[in-house]
Amino acid sequence: DTEVTQTPKHLVMGMTNKKSLKCEQHMGHRAMYWYKQKAKKPPELMFVYSYEKLSINESVPSRFSPECPNSSLLNLHLHALQPEDSALYLCASSPVPGGDTDTQYFGPGTRLTVL
Amino acid sequence: GEDVEQSLFLSVREGDSSVINCTYTDSSSTYLYWYKQEPGAGLQLLTYIFSNMDMKQDQRLTVLLNKKDKHLSLRIADTQTGDSAIYFCAEKAGGATNKLIFGTGTLLAVQP
Repeated sequence: DTEVTQTPKHLVMGMTNKKSLKCEQHMGHRAMYWYKQKAKKPPELMFVYSYEKLSINESVPSRFSPECPNSSLLNLHLHALQPEDSALYLCASSPVPGGDTDTQYFGPGTRLTVL
Repeated sequence: GEDVEQSLFLSVREGDSSVINCTYTDSSSTYLYWYKQEPGAGLQLLTYIFSNMDMKQDQRLTVLLNKKDKHLSLRIADTQTGDSAIYFCAEKAGGATNKLIFGTGTLLAVQP
């Protein structure tokens, strides 16, 4: 089973709203990732958690706040977003953080629209 | 630099072979990957190759790696309409990091 699940599938929010994106995996992976993908572009890394600790923050604005409550769950809390934050948000996980064979498996994504 | 380049678009007829090319820059990359993304969906891992290999075959997929030229290709035999998607190559950044450097993506259109 190489499944990463994400909820919700679609999300529309106003610029003053607070919402959260959720990601879950039950493969025993110890690294989890958030990516942002704009139309017709490759995914851009936002955050990496290794063993439930934040290891990489790619200079993401503070209106995006990640959280890793346990080894299976990853959240992305959203607050005061801008219309340009509208994108597909992808979650991924991989078995061994930093290992040579650390292949990333992606979820289906959450399509976010900020009005 | 960390640019990974791909041609933007490829059109083939159903039943033909498709070859998608990728040029990467980090010679210390240990693993190189191919992902497939259908419209509105996430990325599906297709295959990967270790940097000390020249070729890897997996059913209809053949990956060729020319490490000297930093060139990676994905050949899809007997291409089907269900293969229509965007294909991303990705290299694992060197060093003790989890970062993947993605290519620009190639849109494969399969004509019936």
